[in-house]
Amino acid sequence: AQKVTQAQTEISVVEKEDVTLDCVYETRDTTYYLFWYKQPPSGELVFLIRRNSFDEQNEISGRYSWNFQKSTSSFNFTITASQVVDSAVYFCALSEDLDNAGNMLTFGGGTRLMVKP
Amino acid sequence: GAGVSQSPSNKVTEKGKDVELRCDPISGHTALYWYRQSLGQGLEFLIYFQGNSAPDKSGLPSDRFSAERTGGSVSTLTIQRTQQEDSAVYLCASSPEGRVSVSEKLFFGSGTQLSVL
Repeated sequence: AQKVTQAQTEISVVEKEDVTLDCVYETRDTTYYLFWYKQPPSGELVFLIRRNSFDEQNEISGRYSWNFQKSTSSFNFTITASQVVDSAVYFCALSEDLDNAGNMLTFGGGTRLMVKP
Repeated sequence: GAGVSQSPSNKVTEKGKDVELRCDPISGHTALYWYRQSLGQGLEFLIYFQGNSAPDKSGLPSDRFSAERTGGSVSTLTIQRTQQEDSAVYLCASSPEGRVSVSEKLFFGSGTQLSVL
């Protein structure tokens, strides 16, 4: 069975600070996918990134970057120079590549990020 | 519309009543998912539909919960004899294909906030 843990339930930073959201996962599968989704106050989850288990390259997209380390089963998310618009709940998720599992995601509990001006 | 549509956006009901929640996925998406988000918690998988295949109901918490998908498009989640612990946001998502290795992401609706008094 898979599990995703986001130990930080809430983080508060001041605008322009860098912030890292932690994600630790458990799975017995060798082929799996990791995700980050953002849930702004409107409630609709917005896809940020998908990473497969065979690609450990870190990724950068603008102010966002992701650090995938299989050795520690972690997939951490860093926002550089945070902005007020980054305030949201962020979810880390895991999906195993099974014939009958579709894109069923196992979510972590989420981290609420508050960026203050 | 272009996105996943859910109705109603808010539903208040009395304990013991039945409720129906509706989801209109993105046109052409074969896979449809229901998730539940309880206050302060992560997202919990409920049920998954893929094309004409039998749905994966492994996440339904009790036999009071059921869902159907008519014509491979619109889905209805029904909760019978609602209880206070059913209060949550019910999120629907769709994707073009079922397999995570093919479909990069899920497209989420804004959810239905269910309050059971």
